[in-house]
Amino acid sequence: AQTVTQSQPEMSVQEAETVTLSCTYDTSESNYYLFWYKQPPSRQMILVIRQEAYKQQNATENRFSVNFQKAAKSFSLKISDSQLGDTAMYFCAFLPINAGNMLTFGGGTRLMVKP
Amino acid sequence: GAVVSQHPSWVICKSGTSVKIECRSLDFQATTMFWYRQFPKQSLMLMATSNEGSKATYEQGVEKDKFLINHASLTLSTLTVTSAHPEDSSFYICSAPAWDRGQGDGYTFGSGTRLTVV
Repeated sequence: AQTVTQSQPEMSVQEAETVTLSCTYDTSESNYYLFWYKQPPSRQMILVIRQEAYKQQNATENRFSVNFQKAAKSFSLKISDSQLGDTAMYFCAFLPINAGNMLTFGGGTRLMVKP
Repeated sequence: GAVVSQHPSWVICKSGTSVKIECRSLDFQATTMFWYRQFPKQSLMLMATSNEGSKATYEQGVEKDKFLINHASLTLSTLTVTSAHPEDSSFYICSAPAWDRGQGDGYTFGSGTRLTVV
């Protein structure tokens, strides 16, 4: 079984600054995907960024990037130039490849971007 | 991209009545649908997994007779909360694997249903 841990229940950042959200996971799988999902006040889950475990290069999507440390089982999300619209719950999630379909979520981090 | 349409977005019902929540995959075939429950400021808790044409698989602690799941077609899965009580009030979300282009697409989520039982 997999576990995903987000150690920061709440964080805040000033608009235009950079913030990093932490995520660690535990698994015996060697091949998997990791995701960050955003849940704004509308509560619609939105995929922010994904990382394939066999790729060493960290994924980047515009202002969002990850620091993937496979040996340490760490997958942090960096948000650059934070915007008010980034205010949301952020969930880290784990999906094993070809070992069932179940997505395992972390407990979430509530991010508040302050003007 | 893969879209899951969930209805209703919110519903208020009287204690003892039943409520049906529908999730439709609009542009892909969802052979599997996951149903989650989310309490305020908490993560998503998996309730059950439905597979088209077969019985749903429920997570431990979830009452099968209270939360009836039907997945009769490749585009529709329903969750019926039977004999609802105030403690069933919650936010319910469905999700389907967006497997069209591989597991790297992750899941696509419905917009959720806020259920309030009075």
